Amino acid sequence: AQKITQTQPGMFVQEKEAVTLDCTYDTSDPSYGLFWYKQPSSGEMIFLIYQGSYDQQNATEGRYSLNFQKARKSANLVISASQLGDSAMYFCAMRPNNAGNMLTFGGGTRLMVKP
Amino acid sequence: DVKVTQSSRYLVKRTGEKVFLECVQDMDHENMFWYRQDPGLGLRLIYFSYDVKMKEKGDIPEGYSVSREKKERFSLILESASTNQTSMYLCASTLSPRETYEQYFGPGTRLTVT
Repeated sequence: AQKITQTQPGMFVQEKEAVTLDCTYDTSDPSYGLFWYKQPSSGEMIFLIYQGSYDQQNATEGRYSLNFQKARKSANLVISASQLGDSAMYFCAMRPNNAGNMLTFGGGTRLMVKP
Repeated sequence: DVKVTQSSRYLVKRTGEKVFLECVQDMDHENMFWYRQDPGLGLRLIYFSYDVKMKEKGDIPEGYSVSREKKERFSLILESASTNQTSMYLCASTLSPRETYEQYFGPGTRLTVT
């Protein structure tokens, strides 16, 4: 079974600063994918970034980057130059590659960006 | 753009009622999912379907059933709603089981059972 842990229920960050949202995972599967989603107050889940377990480089998508440390089983999301619109819930998720499309989600982190 | 729609944003039902939550996607996706979201617990998978008339139990299927009669539509059914089923319900779809395909989510239905 897979488990995703997000240890920060809530975080504040000053506008224009960088912030790191923590995610650790537990799996016995050798091959898997890691995802981050954003959920604004409106409720929709927005895909942000993906990291494959065999990818040699950390994934980046605009202001989002994933600090992937395989040995530590961590996949932290880094948001650079925070904006007020980044205030939302953020979910880390994992999918073993032999599990079809079943995602396991963490409990989420609420990020609040201060002006 | 992929569009996943859910029949209601907010729903209030009484204990014991039969409840239908509908989800429709317009991108011919094979896989569809139903999650419930509760504070601190993240999203938990209730059921998923990888083809018409096919369904698989997720992590928390008790008290729920599903129906997929057409590829674009996936329904979640609460046979006899209970107060502990008060939650946010999210539907998602994805093209095929390839590792890089993210799931596309609907806007969610916030269900209150009184």
